[in-house]
Amino acid sequence: AQSVTQPDIHITVSEGASLELRCNYSYGATPYLFWYVQSPGQGLQLLLKYFSGDTLVQGIKGFEAEFKRSQSSFNLRKPSVHWSDAAEYFCAVGAWDMRFGAGTRLTVKP
Amino acid sequence: NAGVTQTPKFRILKIGQSMTLQCAQDMNHNYMYWYRQDPGMGLKLIYYSVGAGITDKGEVPNGYNVSRSTTEDFPLRLELAAPSQTSVYFCASNPDGMNTEAFFGQGTRLTVV
Repeated sequence: AQSVTQPDIHITVSEGASLELRCNYSYGATPYLFWYVQSPGQGLQLLLKYFSGDTLVQGIKGFEAEFKRSQSSFNLRKPSVHWSDAAEYFCAVGAWDMRFGAGTRLTVKP
Repeated sequence: NAGVTQTPKFRILKIGQSMTLQCAQDMNHNYMYWYRQDPGMGLKLIYYSVGAGITDKGEVPNGYNVSRSTTEDFPLRLELAAPSQTSVYFCASNPDGMNTEAFFGQGTRLTVV
């Protein structure tokens, strides 16, 4: 069965610093991979997705993610974090039942 | 175009009571999902549906039931509420399953006391 692991429960970065959130997946076939963001008290919003092709995908709000099949990873990156990026981030692997990781909470220091 | 609408937003239940969480979408999506979100656990799939009249269990279906009589609506029924069902519940939908973006409702915060 598919599964998703996000090793970091909580990350704190300074505003303007770069960010990388880790995601590892387990899936028997070529995965459909997603990153979602959840602001406090809100539902989830899609940041980006990977199905096939170029392994570096661009998303909204300046985020990007790189699919590495050899490492079963799909890490999310942003070159310069803004205070408004503080939220919880979920990696997901898509199939008939989309599976989510436990999430990484991002705190941004002024 | 409201997207995915969940009602109620908050609810407190006593142990043993039952209730239905409502979910409606106006995007004509075939697939609909119910998740529960517990702190540090991410989202766990309770039930999903691939179209009207078709439902199936997810990871954590025990204590819940669903129905899908129309494309728009996908209610989640809790029978005999237990404290372990205290959680935030999210409904989501997407057009055709695995390779399309899922749209989420705002969530229902349920407390069972």
